Amino acid sequence: GAGVSQSPSNKVTEKGKDVELRCDPISGHTALYWYRQSLGQGLEFLIYFQGNSAPDKSGLPSDRFSAERTGGSVSTLTIQRTQQEDSAVYLCASSPMDRGQNIQYFGAGTRLSVL
Amino acid sequence: LAKTTQPISMDSYEGQEVNITCSHNNIATNDYITWYQQFPSQGPRFIIQGYKTKVTNEVASLFIPADRKSSTLSLPRVSLSDTAVYYCLVGNNTGGFKTIFGAGTRLFVKA
Repeated sequence: GAGVSQSPSNKVTEKGKDVELRCDPISGHTALYWYRQSLGQGLEFLIYFQGNSAPDKSGLPSDRFSAERTGGSVSTLTIQRTQQEDSAVYLCASSPMDRGQNIQYFGAGTRLSVL
Repeated sequence: LAKTTQPISMDSYEGQEVNITCSHNNIATNDYITWYQQFPSQGPRFIIQGYKTKVTNEVASLFIPADRKSSTLSLPRVSLSDTAVYYCLVGNNTGGFKTIFGAGTRLFVKA
């Protein structure tokens, strides 16, 4: 079946502009995660959604970052007033949450470049 | 969340068996151990998950000693295409859903 889909695959923007990154999770997966990965680094947790529960936003680096998940499916990560340090690959993952530790299925990511 | 420690990098040659060990001294009773693989320009991919003893699938084996304070991912007869970053994670759903990926282990397989 279809995997996690992220769009756009690449985004180049100017400093100060707002950007929206989209994630289409695997159908039926109740959990959705956003991560950020800078070049050569590990994954930095940003936010997760689980069903109708309040999202865990503890990883969002500043109030310029926000995310929403509509209808328990598609999610959008929004970065307002982008800064050069926001340049990174943004990864989305979804999980069926049917095991002791949720197995996450990742998209290919969106590479964001802030000029 | 249990903290994990892995080697930063490892080198190997094609055809060899590679063992990557992850330390997780503070693992909780309900925690599982999960390994992911990440190739350049791709998202991580699930490899294997286990709770205790040994788990084997078509890709790898996972060895977990009785005290569960460490685990070893074993890749049999690696090829050049196994060059990637390997992440070890420890956690469970009951403790919340936040997951922490460390820096992982960069495996370089040489011809």
